[in-house]
Amino acid sequence: EVQLVQSGAEVKKPGESLKISCKGSGYSFTSYWIGWVRQMPGKGLEWMGIIYPGDSDTRYSPSFQGQVTISADKSISTAYLQWSSLKASDTAMYYCARHVSSSWTDYWGQGTLVTVSS
Amino acid sequence: EIVLTQSPDFQSVTPKEKVTITCRASQSIGSSLHWYQQKPDQSPKLLIKYASQSFSGVPSRFSGSGSGTDFTLTINSLEAEDAATYYCHQSSSLPYTFGQGTKLEIK
Repeated sequence: EVQLVQSGAEVKKPGESLKISCKGSGYSFTSYWIGWVRQMPGKGLEWMGIIYPGDSDTRYSPSFQGQVTISADKSISTAYLQWSSLKASDTAMYYCARHVSSSWTDYWGQGTLVTVSS
Repeated sequence: EIVLTQSPDFQSVTPKEKVTITCRASQSIGSSLHWYQQKPDQSPKLLIKYASQSFSGVPSRFSGSGSGTDFTLTINSLEAEDAATYYCHQSSSLPYTFGQGTKLEIK
């Protein structure tokens, strides 16, 4: 069974760093792109970027380039989304999703809620 | 960046009604348009891929059509469980993008 399991909710202060994870199982992790999607409270879905764990090829939306870092460790079938200095505006639910043929997404993680507040 | 514009933003509908949601792309994207359903406090779920291909396990009342810049998601004979927000998503060119969403309320 294909699963993407994300790390748990986080509460952080502005300026702190954070790395959240997305662990894939039940399929060849290195053969599918993994994307990250942001959903701010009460708002729609925003595509952040995508990584191919096989060779760590990574693409970002211009809206998120330089704001976050997407990475992956294929040895443990895990993708990551990280911030070096969080802002209150980073408060959101973050989803990872498996892209098929770097196109549509068939499996999604359960989401990680990140709350940034002083 | 390709902008996807959905209409309407919100629709209140009665069970068994037929619903049509449209998604317009700012430039041609061929058939690289996909539809997702998101219920409150849940992750999005794929309904339709490549404009008109139903995803495995999706009820047959959901269908999609269109190509180029204009796309449609149709829900025939709406059921109460279809109350959700629906998003279109393009994978024609990076950065991939989503429409702003259409919220369906069941009367």
